[in-house]
Amino acid sequence: AQSVTQLGSHVSVSEGALVLLRCNYSSSVPPYLFWYVQYPNQGLQLLLKYTTGATLVKGINGFEAEFKKSETSFHLTKPSAHMSDAAEYFCAVSANTNAGKSTFGDGTTLTVKP
Amino acid sequence: DTGVSQDPRHKITKRGQNVTFRCDPISEHNRLYWYRQTLGQGPEFLTYFQNEAQLEKSRLLSDRFSAERPKGSFSTLEIQRTEQGDSAMYLCASSLGQGRYSSYNEQFFGPGTRLTVL
Repeated sequence: AQSVTQLGSHVSVSEGALVLLRCNYSSSVPPYLFWYVQYPNQGLQLLLKYTTGATLVKGINGFEAEFKKSETSFHLTKPSAHMSDAAEYFCAVSANTNAGKSTFGDGTTLTVKP
Repeated sequence: DTGVSQDPRHKITKRGQNVTFRCDPISEHNRLYWYRQTLGQGPEFLTYFQNEAQLEKSRLLSDRFSAERPKGSFSTLEIQRTEQGDSAMYLCASSLGQGRYSSYNEQFFGPGTRLTVL
């Protein structure tokens, strides 16, 4: 069984400030981990993913995340927030034994203040 | 357009009516997934196809829900006798997988169909 917990349903930052969105997961097998972004009334867009190899992964729009097995975490960061980053962000976990089916967290809404 | 498309984008229906949604995946993708997303929550897995075979269904998928993927191309999701609790965004995703237990391949999501049951 797999699960995802996103700490903080709402995060607010100022433009230019560091963005940190937290994600902890639970998985009985080696996980694949993902971050998606969703804008209003749209589908999900993949920001980045971790499957194997390097634990620090870089994604689109300047986002990156680090897989920490000992902490069962996969936090998403961006050094400098932009107004266009305001959206909802979902962390998800999958495994190579379940045909890519993903379990999602409840999401974090990011607000960027000017 | 090479992305995943869904139709309709919005559907308003009265309780007790039947509704059907369509998903057209990326043409070379052999896997297709349906998820349901309610307000304030992340998407929840409903079912998945590999080619035309429906290989897994969530316990969330009650007997009123049925999904098909004839010929392994587009898929339909039908909800019979809709209830107000069915109001949600229904998301479709597709990916290119090699086998039932193969390595993960990236899922591409469609824009979703928002269902409102009055």
